[in-house]
Amino acid sequence: EPEVTQTPSHQVTQMGQEVILRCVPISNHLYFYWYRQILGQKVEFLVSFYNNEISEKSEIFDDQFSVERPDGSNFTLKIRSTKLEDSAMYFCASSSRARQVWGNSQPQHFGDGTRLSIL
Amino acid sequence: KQEVTQIPAALSVPEGENLVLNCSFTDSAIYNLQWFRQDPGKGLTSLLLIQSSQREQTSGRLNASLDKSSGRSTLYIAASQPGDSATYLCAVKEETSGSRLTFGEGTQLTVNP
Repeated sequence: EPEVTQTPSHQVTQMGQEVILRCVPISNHLYFYWYRQILGQKVEFLVSFYNNEISEKSEIFDDQFSVERPDGSNFTLKIRSTKLEDSAMYFCASSSRARQVWGNSQPQHFGDGTRLSIL
Repeated sequence: KQEVTQIPAALSVPEGENLVLNCSFTDSAIYNLQWFRQDPGKGLTSLLLIQSSQREQTSGRLNASLDKSSGRSTLYIAASQPGDSATYLCAVKEETSGSRLTFGEGTQLTVNP
């Protein structure tokens, strides 16, 4: 069964450094997402991406964050200047186009995550 | 603001028992509700998705129900097995937010052999 793959599985970075988290969504999917989960807390939405632009972002997704689909297969999350509070598990997800005209009601499929540790 | 709550936070049962996990949400204007399984240190595996117009969905030993007007969903697991041990998360997609999922904090299930 096709799956979302994320690399690296664990990233350790010094505070203030830039980090890029990489994701390969399921090949025929058109909607892409990033979520994060701070240890012991709920999974939180960061951003969604469709048709080469951000379709929705949360209040967490400030100017330090950016997303890109540099080619036909990869989807990346960049954090420009990392802070200690950015330490979390970051999940990429993707979903296919809905058959219905209204909304996007297809399930989101998640990768195994990248554990980001900021020192 | 949508809030999703899951009860209980943790549950320990003997193998073979049938069990129910609960999820409630404060704003009933949702597109759908999705149940996930999360194993320690792993990602989220989608189990079931219920559209807002549906009352229930079944997959194998899993059955999820949705009462949209009262803001509740349940996940029923029949004949539980030790391999079912994991954290179960529910998440809603709201009509007004477009694409984001709002998650509950999860129920940590342990099935004892």
